[in-house]
Amino acid sequence: GEDVEQSLFLSVREGDSSVINCTYTDSSSTYLYWYKQEPGAGLQLLTYIFSNMDMKQDQRLTVLLNKKDKHLSLRIADTQTGDSAIYFCAEPPGNRDDKIIFGKGTRLHILP
Amino acid sequence: NAGVTQTPKFRILKIGQSMTLQCTQDMNHNYMYWYRQDPGMGLKLIYYSVGAGITDKGEVPNGYNVSRSTTEDFPLRLELAAPSQTSVYFCASRGAGSRNEQFFGPGTRLTVL
Repeated sequence: GEDVEQSLFLSVREGDSSVINCTYTDSSSTYLYWYKQEPGAGLQLLTYIFSNMDMKQDQRLTVLLNKKDKHLSLRIADTQTGDSAIYFCAEPPGNRDDKIIFGKGTRLHILP
Repeated sequence: NAGVTQTPKFRILKIGQSMTLQCTQDMNHNYMYWYRQDPGMGLKLIYYSVGAGITDKGEVPNGYNVSRSTTEDFPLRLELAAPSQTSVYFCASRGAGSRNEQFFGPGTRLTVL
């Protein structure tokens, strides 16, 4: 069945780069997503990548997609205290577009 | 636009009580979703709707009911609250945009004692 896996915790020093990894199972997904959840709030779309792309860069964010290994990563350059949040990897299951499956989320903790 | 609004923000229920979690969106989105979030478990889809009058079960529908009589509103009903339903509940909506982005409400924190 469809599944999205990611590690639960990551600690990074302020100013360093953060890399959050995700593996997914469905190779037919058109998009793959990264959502961000700040404390006490709902999720918000952070970035996304088309499945026919290898990389997408948006300011401090870089998304890398390895379709062969079904691996997605999110790199945050120059990590700031405001980046402290839970980051969810997500994909639509089975090429459907009416719902998406979320990973369990990676909690990013920023060390001073 | 207010986006997706949820009420109440917090609620404590006794076992066996019932309640309705309200969700409203003002973006004219056809798709709406209810998720529950438990620590370390990510989001689990409870019910979803692809348009007014149409609802479908998600991953964890037992103990819940929904209705979608209008495009704007998608209430979630708990009939006989159980401690296992203690969670944070999020409503989301999605339009017909090409990237299928879901917009989330601020959540309702429910405790069943």
